[in-house]
Amino acid sequence: GQSLEQPSEVTAVEGAIVQINCTYQTSGFYGLSWYQQHDGGAPTFLSYNGLDGLEETGRFSSFLSRSDSYGYLLLQELQMKDSASYFCAVRDPQAGTALIFGKGTTLSVSS
Amino acid sequence: ETGVTQSPTHLIKTRGQQVTLRCSSQSGHNTVSWYQQALGQGPQFIFQYYREEENGRGNFPPRFSGLQFPNYSSELNVNALELDDSALYLCASSLGENHSPLHFGNGTRLTVT
Repeated sequence: GQSLEQPSEVTAVEGAIVQINCTYQTSGFYGLSWYQQHDGGAPTFLSYNGLDGLEETGRFSSFLSRSDSYGYLLLQELQMKDSASYFCAVRDPQAGTALIFGKGTTLSVSS
Repeated sequence: ETGVTQSPTHLIKTRGQQVTLRCSSQSGHNTVSWYQQALGQGPQFIFQYYREEENGRGNFPPRFSGLQFPNYSSELNVNALELDDSALYLCASSLGENHSPLHFGNGTRLTVT
């Protein structure tokens, strides 16, 4: 089966850098994805890592180490609007292209 | 480009009743998946449809069933509702290719009393 572990909460101040870690166990690995969800909103796709290394998209970066079954999401120059829940996710090899999500990390950014 | 839309946004049902939730996929997407999200938890995969066929299912009982229509819209049906079914139900559409990101709707908030 698949399982993902990520911290439940992270707090930071505006302008800071925060890293959200994710470790996973899967029976087959097809990459690690990250999604953001604001309170009461829909999850939105942030990034995908299929290969080891760093992917950068603006203020957000995501890293993957397949040998360590580990990845992280790095958020730079934090803004208040970044306060949200962040989920790492892996594909379920038994279910087409569906994803299995972690329990999520709630990020609170204060001024 | 129209995004994923779900209806209704909120619903209150009584234990034992049946409910149908609806989802319109994003234009061009042939794959739809449904997720249940309890408060403070991550989305839990229910099942996925690709071109009207179920091609994957999570750890949910058979009273959770679904359909996908030729226009790729979809329904989630839940029979014999239980109190624990109270949750946010999310629909997501995608191109159905490896690594295609999921595009989620805003969900239906179901409350079972």
